[in-house]
Amino acid sequence: DARVTQTPRHKVTEMGQEVTMRCQPILGHNTVFWYRQTMMQGLELLAYFRNRAPLDDSGMPKDRFSAEMPDATLATLKIQPSEPRDSAVYFCASVLGGLDTQYFGPGTRLTVL
Amino acid sequence: SQQGEEDPQALSIQEGENATMNCSYKTSINNLQWYRQNSGRGLVHLILIRSNEREKHSGRLRVTLDTSKKSSSLLITASRAADTASYFCATATAGNKLTFGGGTRVLVKP
Repeated sequence: DARVTQTPRHKVTEMGQEVTMRCQPILGHNTVFWYRQTMMQGLELLAYFRNRAPLDDSGMPKDRFSAEMPDATLATLKIQPSEPRDSAVYFCASVLGGLDTQYFGPGTRLTVL
Repeated sequence: SQQGEEDPQALSIQEGENATMNCSYKTSINNLQWYRQNSGRGLVHLILIRSNEREKHSGRLRVTLDTSKKSSSLLITASRAADTASYFCATATAGNKLTFGGGTRVLVKP
């Protein structure tokens, strides 16, 4: 049963600390998306990659957020330094290029104190 | 910014009743998708309707799309307690980019 995995599932950290979230897309999926979900803003697209190349990261605060795909099986989202307003659930989703259905991971719930 | 706006924000019905929720959007789209999210979980894809389609069915789900009004509706027939979840519409533009609406929280009471 192929699925997107994300680690960690929960993260509590203090303001100013670095946070790294990881995502393993479904094997063979070449497009990966990062979303953030908050009560106030809902689901927002932060960035996405195709064939490991960043296509759009306009939704991401550039000064503190960075997203990479070191290889086809791993996508990372890093926040440095973290702030309380970054508290949210971060989702990764993957899709096989050319198709439309995105498969979401279970999310990482981040709390920045 | 959210492309889709959903209505109602919350819906409470009895098991066996139908649930209808609506989604309006602002710009041209390639397709519109509906997702379900159970509390504390990720989103699950339910159904996709392309911009040249008007209606689509999948099991107990029925989706309509009116591109002239830039609106879509999702109907869940014969609801079950397990349908309790939040439902999101998402509009797709070029490159598989999805823009989500604010969601409708559905509570199905047994």
